[in-house]
Amino acid sequence: GAGVSQSPSNKVTEKGKDVELRCDPISGHTALYWYRQSLGQGLEFLIYFQGNSAPDKSGLPSDRFSAERTGGSVSTLTIQRTQQEDSAVYLCASSSGRTGINSPLHFGNGTRLTVT
Amino acid sequence: RKEVEQDPGPFNVPEGATVAFNCTYSNSASQSFFWYRQDCRKEPKLLMSVYSSGNEDGRFTAQLNRASQYISLLIRDSKLSDSATYLCVVNSLTGGFKTIFGAGTRLFVKA
Repeated sequence: GAGVSQSPSNKVTEKGKDVELRCDPISGHTALYWYRQSLGQGLEFLIYFQGNSAPDKSGLPSDRFSAERTGGSVSTLTIQRTQQEDSAVYLCASSSGRTGINSPLHFGNGTRLTVT
Repeated sequence: RKEVEQDPGPFNVPEGATVAFNCTYSNSASQSFFWYRQDCRKEPKLLMSVYSSGNEDGRFTAQLNRASQYISLLIRDSKLSDSATYLCVVNSLTGGFKTIFGAGTRLFVKA
């Protein structure tokens, strides 16, 4: 299993509940990204982790969204007090963290979040 | 102006046709470039990196024009299975490392 792993693959939750989404990047990849994608739309950048540097949180849409990356590996994206507009596919990707053509992003299968 | 721009399409072409996608980027300091493919309700997958000298992988050819700041993808002899959204991706180091995705171009190949 060398790919990026995300769980759960599907999550249905009631409006107002908190959810946690998990991403397990490719072993050895120092860079980790979270994106979300609504149906028929492009990728929306959320947050980027690179090694021990402070994460780039510039894409988080509100303070209900937070993410952490423990031990430079697994990451969790937490959405508090979910709203219906949070419904989307949440995609995690990792890369080697080096610049250049040999560091493309590799995506997980995503978590499809539905807020009812 | 968006940092990475693509024609959203859709492009509707018959099987066997040659189709070209262009992508422009605004940051002249961008360093690496990729084309991704995304099938409906699936995650994006790397199609090919774009080398400065241009590169070819079977029916797919990618080119980079740094002076004009655009990247192209050419698909020859289109197959039904090429139907997907093609995403242009640009990495840059300005103001920290950034990976920017274009919004994608939809391609429909018809029999």
